[in-house]
Amino acid sequence: NAGVTQTPKFQVLKTGQSMTLQCAQDMNHNSMYWYRQDPGMGLRLIYYSASEGTTDKGEVPNGYNVSRLNKREFSLRLESAAPSQTSVYFCASSVRGGTNYEQFFGPGTRLTVL
Amino acid sequence: EDQVTQSPEALRLQEGESSSLNCSYTVSGLRGLFWYRQDPGKGPEFLFTLYSAGEEKEKERLKATLTKKESFLHITAPKPEDSATYLCAVQGPDSWGKLQFGAGTQVVVTP
Repeated sequence: NAGVTQTPKFQVLKTGQSMTLQCAQDMNHNSMYWYRQDPGMGLRLIYYSASEGTTDKGEVPNGYNVSRLNKREFSLRLESAAPSQTSVYFCASSVRGGTNYEQFFGPGTRLTVL
Repeated sequence: EDQVTQSPEALRLQEGESSSLNCSYTVSGLRGLFWYRQDPGKGPEFLFTLYSAGEEKEKERLKATLTKKESFLHITAPKPEDSATYLCAVQGPDSWGKLQFGAGTQVVVTP
């Protein structure tokens, strides 16, 4: 099992450009999440999808959109990138239900917006 | 609003020098407290989940404990390969699936 995979690993954009970050998991998890990580601020939730067909805003959703393409895939789109969106982006997934809520993370996408 | 504070921000240890990391939290009705390890340039790696005060979990040189207000991650006789950033996160009763993370403690273990 590959676990959670993300593409691309690195990306440099100019202000105003758009791009989509891709995420896929092969653990048959119901729920998927997008976080950003900035120095000294910890991981902050951007959007999440509790199950296929549903998406909800997290703590910092402005400037982003998401699509839950199917059970395996959850993408994050920046429509008009801004320097404030320079960050490391992590996708995660978890099982829904039961008593285990731990999330499993991908390797991250390092995005720089100039 | 759920809040998580980790201390210290950074910790430098000699190999074999045991120490503890602290995670203080404010959440009404804790559903779970999670510890992760993150190596430079990589995603967080799950270590432990604690669900109720008094619970303890161990993995190799790491032991996590939980009280009603804080959690400790004890590192016993650390080795250089234990060098990483350790992250703590909490999940409240109304935030199903959503974790509130602390900023982390960066641990460096020197030979």
